Amino acid sequence: GQQLNQSPQSMFIQEGEDVSMNCTSSSIFNTWLWYKQDPGEGPVLLIALYKAGELTSNGRLTAQFGITRKDSFLNISASIPSDVGIYFCAGPTSTETSGSRLTFGEGTQLTVNP
Amino acid sequence: GAGVSQSPRYKVTKRGQDVALRCDPISGHVSLYWYRQALGQGPEFLTYFNYEAQQDKSGLPNDRFSAERPEGSISTLTIQRTEQRDSAMYRCASSLVAAYSGNTIYFGEGSWLTVV
Repeated sequence: GQQLNQSPQSMFIQEGEDVSMNCTSSSIFNTWLWYKQDPGEGPVLLIALYKAGELTSNGRLTAQFGITRKDSFLNISASIPSDVGIYFCAGPTSTETSGSRLTFGEGTQLTVNP
Repeated sequence: GAGVSQSPRYKVTKRGQDVALRCDPISGHVSLYWYRQALGQGPEFLTYFNYEAQQDKSGLPNDRFSAERPEGSISTLTIQRTEQRDSAMYRCASSLVAAYSGNTIYFGEGSWLTVV
């Protein structure tokens, strides 16, 4: 089946630093999603990307949909302590329009030191 | 309700027992999904429903796992004859409409299952 590989697996940074993480796949995805999971909570959608080459921002977050449609990256600028959590990339594996089966990467654990 | 609600939040059961995990989706949401998340891993798809119809159950690991959503709202995931390898977080999610892009999927806080 389709797999998403995320790197790095974990990051330890100082508050104020910028962060970059990426996600690659051996298969083409037509949509890329980035989620954040706080401790004890479910994943929450941060950014959705729908077109190859698309660059989308959401506050301090910026994500890009790779031209080959097999990769995506997420950048966080000027990190703050509340950015701590696990960041997942995900993509729908169903080609149907009537449903959505998401494949998730293994996540990048981000720790921000004040 | 305001969000996706799951119960129990924590369940410890003995190997061989059956367990039932409940999901109450956001009111009015058509689609409901079950995922399983092992420690240190991303969520793994199990099954999903549109209204009461189970559209895709290909992610269920084996026939000990089943799910239902009889009235198109609350759903129950049942695991029969539990095994230690079933220990994981089970997450339910819902979306207003059948969401191909996934951009409207809301996850619950999950049910932690530990099989001893």
